[in-house]
Amino acid sequence: DAGVTQSPTHLIKTRGQHVTLRCSPISGHKSVSWYQQVLGQGPQFIFQYYEKEERGRGNFPDRFSARQFPNYSSELNVNALLLGDSALYLCASTQGGSGNQPQHFGDGTRLSIL
Amino acid sequence: GQNIDQPTEMTATEGAIVQINCTYQTSGFNGLFWYQQHAGEAPTFLSYNVLDGLEEKGRFSSFLSRSKGYSYLLLKELQMKDSASYLCAVRDRGYGQNFVFGPGTRLSVLP
Repeated sequence: DAGVTQSPTHLIKTRGQHVTLRCSPISGHKSVSWYQQVLGQGPQFIFQYYEKEERGRGNFPDRFSARQFPNYSSELNVNALLLGDSALYLCASTQGGSGNQPQHFGDGTRLSIL
Repeated sequence: GQNIDQPTEMTATEGAIVQINCTYQTSGFNGLFWYQQHAGEAPTFLSYNVLDGLEEKGRFSSFLSRSKGYSYLLLKELQMKDSASYLCAVRDRGYGQNFVFGPGTRLSVLP
């Protein structure tokens, strides 16, 4: 069975540009969460979507937005990129929106801002 | 809000036992998870605790005390491949029941 897949794996952008990152959850999983992980730190929560609705939002500026599609895949969009946005962006999926289910992570998209 | 604290780095010897501590302060609590993350890779799920006590899973065990806001991950019979970062994460009870991760503990296993 395929795990969580993310694309692209690596991306280089310059300041002021925008970027779209994509995530496909494990088949049957309806919840997708996005995290930003800066080198040497734990992942920081950005968004959670469940059944195509936003269920949670972390402490990130409005330049960050996301959506979930009818097939439960998701996109994370970041506008007006800053140098500080350079990080590993992780997508995680769970079957439901709550409970004791662990999140399953994709390999991430490494975003570098020049 | 949530605050999770873990030691930044630990070193242990192959074959030994190591305990990685995690303390948390939360406004809500719906479970504590431990993840392993090798450098350049995605976090992988290790264990879950929602009730007080010890959960054992092979060489790995995790303990939780909700009254103390404390958990630990115990790794036995350490192997070189256990060298990784170990992330403690709390699932809160807020809207969306999201995960809040600690900074991670980087464990180095030496021969």
